[in-house]
Amino acid sequence: DIQMTQSPSSLSASVGDRVTITCRASQSISSYLNWYQQKPGKAPKLLIYAASSLQSGVPSRFSGSGSGTDFTLTISSLQPEDFATYYCQQSYSTPPAIFTFGPGTKVDIK
Amino acid sequence: QVQLVESGGGVVQPGRSLRLSCAASGFTFSSYGMHWVRQAPGKGLEWVAVIWYDGSNKYYADSVKGRFTISRDNSKNTLYLQMNSLRAEDTAVYYCARETYRCGGDCSYYFDYWGQGTLVTVSS
Repeated sequence: DIQMTQSPSSLSASVGDRVTITCRASQSISSYLNWYQQKPGKAPKLLIYAASSLQSGVPSRFSGSGSGTDFTLTISSLQPEDFATYYCQQSYSTPPAIFTFGPGTKVDIK
Repeated sequence: QVQLVESGGGVVQPGRSLRLSCAASGFTFSSYGMHWVRQAPGKGLEWVAVIWYDGSNKYYADSVKGRFTISRDNSKNTLYLQMNSLRAEDTAVYYCARETYRCGGDCSYYFDYWGQGTLVTVSS
């Protein structure tokens, strides 16, 4: 099975900061990498799919890059509503469609 | 608009069973693969199971294989998760999610819609 790791596991940042989160796959997953944002008590929300494609309605301050095993989510200027936990997800291993998530990165206020 | 609404959660004793439902609306349910994802209290997201659009294929996480069964009724626009032999470690919020495949330059499968989740607590 493909394993996903994220770094850092948490970070503290201020409004206006540029934030970068890294995700790594245990084997090449091409561009089959998605990013989700989750706020407490809420369902995850899709931000980025196919490594770098912005989901409709998601602010352009969010961007994704990478391919193969190494990926990055960048928030260009952190806003108050961006304090949340971010998860990467691989969707390469299909079939059997086992779409594993990374362990998450919590972004909180400095 | 697309809606996914889970139900069926609750408190159950270890070893007992529970069936979750996910009612879908606002899209052609029979055209989409559907997944269950869970989240234990204070923990990350764990993929649980998938069923193809027509029910022809089903896959499970190792942690639930042999105990959980995913199914769907396309005539009722409803997804199910039958959970047997429940354990304390199955305690979690269970989400259903719709799978979409798109290529925006590069390609990926992803979960574009999620339900609000239903809490399952396994405790004596």
